[in-house]
Amino acid sequence: DIHMTQSPSSLSASVGDRVTITCRASQGISNYLVWFQQQPGKAPKSLIYAASSLHSGVPSRFSGSGSGTDFTLTINSLQPEDFATYYCQHYYSYPHTFGQGTTVEIK
Amino acid sequence: QVQLVQSGAEVKKPGSSVQVSCKASEGTFTGYIVSWVRQAPGQGLEWVGRITPVFGTTDYAQKLRGRVTITADKSTSTTYMALSSLRSEDTAVYYCARASDYNGSGRYGIDVWGPGTTVTVSS
Repeated sequence: DIHMTQSPSSLSASVGDRVTITCRASQGISNYLVWFQQQPGKAPKSLIYAASSLHSGVPSRFSGSGSGTDFTLTINSLQPEDFATYYCQHYYSYPHTFGQGTTVEIK
Repeated sequence: QVQLVQSGAEVKKPGSSVQVSCKASEGTFTGYIVSWVRQAPGQGLEWVGRITPVFGTTDYAQKLRGRVTITADKSTSTTYMALSSLRSEDTAVYYCARASDYNGSGRYGIDVWGPGTTVTVSS
């Protein structure tokens, strides 16, 4: 199985800050990576697919990059509604494992 | 955009079984894969398994193999996730999610999530 490691596990930031979350795969997964946002008590929401492509309707302050084993999710100018938990997941081979999540909290 | 409709919350006894359904609000699952993901209270997301509805082919998480079965009814565009020999550790919100082949690679990534179904296992 491919293991996904996210860092940090949590971070504190202020509105307007730039935030970067990293996701590392235990082996190469090309660009078969998705990012999700989850608000407390709600279903996850899809943000990015193929490592760097934004889903329709996702604000342009979100961006993704990377290929192979190292990936990043960047949020430019953090907004109040962005405080949430973020997960990466690969879809290179089964099982499609998730990272452990990164919680973005208000400083 | 298509929405996924899941069945209602369940409360089950240890050792029993549960089945959760997931139906597309419009259209069918043809050309897509349906994944199931669960989230225990206060924990992260855990991949449970997937089905390609048009073929009925499946893959399951190793830790659940033998207890989980995912099926699909093409006539009603509904998929089902059944879990047997329930334990307290199976208490979680179970999500179905549609996955798309974004670039024709044969690899499918989740794009649409269902609202989740809470399954509580308690004596």
